[in-house]
Amino acid sequence: AQSVTQLGSHVSVSEGALVLLRCNYSSSVPPYLFWYVQYPNQGLQLLLKYTSAATLVKGINGFEAEFKKSETSFHLTKPSAHMSDAAEYFCAVTNTGNQFYFGTGTSLTVIP
Amino acid sequence: EAGVAQSPRYKIIEKRQSVAFWCNPISGHATLYWYQQILGQGPKLLIQFQNNGVVDDSQLPKDRFSAERLKGVDSTLKIQPAKLEDSAVYLCASSLGLAGGETQYFGPGTRLLVL
Repeated sequence: AQSVTQLGSHVSVSEGALVLLRCNYSSSVPPYLFWYVQYPNQGLQLLLKYTSAATLVKGINGFEAEFKKSETSFHLTKPSAHMSDAAEYFCAVTNTGNQFYFGTGTSLTVIP
Repeated sequence: EAGVAQSPRYKIIEKRQSVAFWCNPISGHATLYWYQQILGQGPKLLIQFQNNGVVDDSQLPKDRFSAERLKGVDSTLKIQPAKLEDSAVYLCASSLGLAGGETQYFGPGTRLLVL
């Protein structure tokens, strides 16, 4: 069985501060991991994905995530938050067959 | 490249009525997915198609939900009869194939309100 847990349903950061969104996964086989962003009234947009190549993955808009097998984590970071980063962020896990299992999401607020 | 198209964008119906949603995936994408996203939750997979065949429909409430992808391109998801708890956003996604790690591309969703 596969699942992801996103710690913190709401995260607030000041503009220019570090963004850290947490994701822990559970998978009986080597996972593929994704981060998606969802802006209000829109679909999900891919930020980045891990597919067993480099453990540090760089994505769009300055985001990156590190796969840590020992900690079963795939946390999303960005060095400096921008107002446009305010959105809902979802972590997802999949393996063969490509059925995605999403977390419950983290709402990011950026304070001016 | 055109993205995943969905219609309608919004729908309001009364309980026990029926409703249908349409999805047109990215051209050339063999795999199509329907998700249900209830407010405050992550998307939940309802059904996955590979071309015109069903790969996974284990979480589809088959007593009221049905979906088809007859020609292996666009797809329709139907709810009949609708219940209050069906109020949600219905997202369609597509990917090139169903190999693990394939990126899924999402449409804008259809927001359903059941009164």
